[in-house]
Formats: sequence, structure tokens, C-alpha cells
Amino acid sequence: AQSVTQLGSHVSVSEGALVLLRCNYSSSVPPYLFWYVQYPNQGLQLLLKYTSAATLVKGINGFEAEFKKSETSFHLTKPSAHMSDAAEYFCAVSETGGFKTIFGAGTRLFVKA
Amino acid sequence: EAGVAQSPRYKIIEKRQSVAFWCNPISGHATLYWYQQILGQGPKLLIQFQNNGVVDDSQLPKDRFSAERLKGVDSTLKIQPAKLEDSAVYLCASSLHELAGENTDTQYFGPGTRLTVL
Repeated sequence: AQSVTQLGSHVSVSEGALVLLRCNYSSSVPPYLFWYVQYPNQGLQLLLKYTSAATLVKGINGFEAEFKKSETSFHLTKPSAHMSDAAEYFCAVSETGGFKTIFGAGTRLFVKA
Repeated sequence: EAGVAQSPRYKIIEKRQSVAFWCNPISGHATLYWYQQILGQGPKLLIQFQNNGVVDDSQLPKDRFSAERLKGVDSTLKIQPAKLEDSAVYLCASSLHELAGENTDTQYFGPGTRLTVL
């Protein structure tokens, strides 16, 4: 069975500081991993995805994530936070073919001026 | 390109009433998903369609929830009768991929329907 754990339901950073959102997964098969962002009153938008190619994945808006099999992690980072990055971020895992997608509980990112 | 459309955007009902949600996926997308997102939680997959066939409904409470995608395009999700714990945002998503087993494809989400059960 697959599962996703996002460490920290809330993360607060200053504008210009490093953003680090943590995600650990459990999967009995090679996983496909995703990060989605949800702005208030909007649907989820894909930031980036890992599908067994390069372990360092670059996404939109300057975000990137690194797949570390030994640590079963897929942490999301951005070198410099912007006020517009304030949103809820979800890590997700699925089996090959997009089946049985499971989302983490989410991490709300606050960006202070 | 138009995105995933959902209606209504908001719905308030009394417990034990029935409610239906509608989703129109992106044109040409073979796969359609319904998720339930309870406040403070991540989305939970309720049902996944491949064209007009169900490929996963393991987490759908079948005693009260039903969903259909008759012509392989738009879809409806129904709750009958509703309970207080059904209060949530119901998200619809679609993806392009047509064949099971291929590389996973990006899911595009609609804005959701916020359901409040009183």
C-alpha cells in the first residue's frame, strides 16, 4: 500500500528565504511522485512530477524536488520565496499509469514580508 | 484550451437530502477522477474512469455515493442521502492518457464544488 507523509502542516518563511517543504512516501512499487499547489478558492495545479527519469525535477515558478530512494523522500525546494508563493502544497504518489493517486495532508506556506 | 468545468460551485443541503455534481473534463481527456477534499486534509480519490469504464472505485462509499460517465465525456457524482461528514470540496480532474499501464499523465483539476451539509 502507498502512503504520503508531509512533515509540517504549516511552514512560515521570510520573503527571499529558502523554501523547504518535506514529503516522505511509502510504496511497494516504483512510485510516481508529484507536487501540487492550491491557491485559495482554486483547483490544484501541478508544480512538478517524478516518473523514474532524472532524480532532480524542475517545475514551474522556480520550484524543484529531488527524489531520494534511500530516504524515501521527495522534498520541494525553492531558493528564494516570493509573496505569491503563499498557498497550500500537496505531495502525492501514484502507481504506474496514474492509478490510485494518494495525496498528503498538505502544507500551508506563509511568506512574510 | 478550456479547463475542467464543474458545477455548481457551492451547494448547501440538509442531511438526508440528495445532491449531484457535474464535471466536464478537458476535451479529449480519456481519464476522469473524482476526489473528496475535507477541510484540512488532502484530496482523497473516490473514483477513476477510463473513458466510460470504472478503473478504481475502492474508496467510494457505495451505499450512498454513485458516479457515472455514460458517454465517456462528462460525469456526475451523486450523494443520496447526504450525511454531515460529507461536507467537503468535491474535485474533478482529467488526464489525457488512454491506455492503462502507460506512463502516468498530468491531472488537470477543476475549481471544485464546495458542499455544506447542515
